[in-house]
Amino acid sequence: GAGVSQSPRYKVAKRGQDVALRCDPISGHVSLFWYQQALGQGPEFLTYFQNEAQLEKSRLLSDRFSAERPKGSFSTLEIQRTEQGDSAMYLCASSLADPGQGTYEQYFGPGTRLTVT
Amino acid sequence: DAKTTQPNSMESNEEEPVHLPCNHSTISGTDYIHWYRQLPSQGPEYVIHGLTSNVNNRMASLAIAEDRKSSTLILHRATLRDAAVYYCILPLAGGTSYGKLTFGQGTILTVHP
Repeated sequence: GAGVSQSPRYKVAKRGQDVALRCDPISGHVSLFWYQQALGQGPEFLTYFQNEAQLEKSRLLSDRFSAERPKGSFSTLEIQRTEQGDSAMYLCASSLADPGQGTYEQYFGPGTRLTVT
Repeated sequence: DAKTTQPNSMESNEEEPVHLPCNHSTISGTDYIHWYRQLPSQGPEYVIHGLTSNVNNRMASLAIAEDRKSSTLILHRATLRDAAVYYCILPLAGGTSYGKLTFGQGTILTVHP
């Protein structure tokens, strides 16, 4: 079946531009996560949705970052007034999240590589 | 969140077994042990998870110590395609962000032909 998809795969933005990154999770997956991965580092948690509700935001998520998941389907991560420090891979993951079985393995998309010049 | 410790890097030859260790001495009784890997230029990929008993799937085996303070991911016959960063993670088992993953540096596995 279809996995998690993200678009665009690559985005180059000039400093100060606004960008929007999209994630389409696996159909039926309740949980959706966004992570940020700097070059040479492991991914870091940004935010979490359970259906359409945004339940947690990391302190990494500055005021310039916003995310939404209308109707509990796809999600959009928006970055306003981009800065060079925002250059990173942005990863989206979805999960069925069944606590009783520990079955909360996450399925990741290919990521969006954002470069801010 | 309980923390894990892994070696920075390991090397293996193709078609040989690989044992990737992970220490998690502060693990709690309800923490599952998950392994993910990330191939170059790709998103992380779920490999395997377990609680107390050893687990096998088509990708790998997971051996969990009796006291659960350590575990080992076993690739039975490494291939060049297994070259990746391997992460041992104890997902958040409660709270609002159920299943949240905290990635460390992981182990960079190099496979030699």
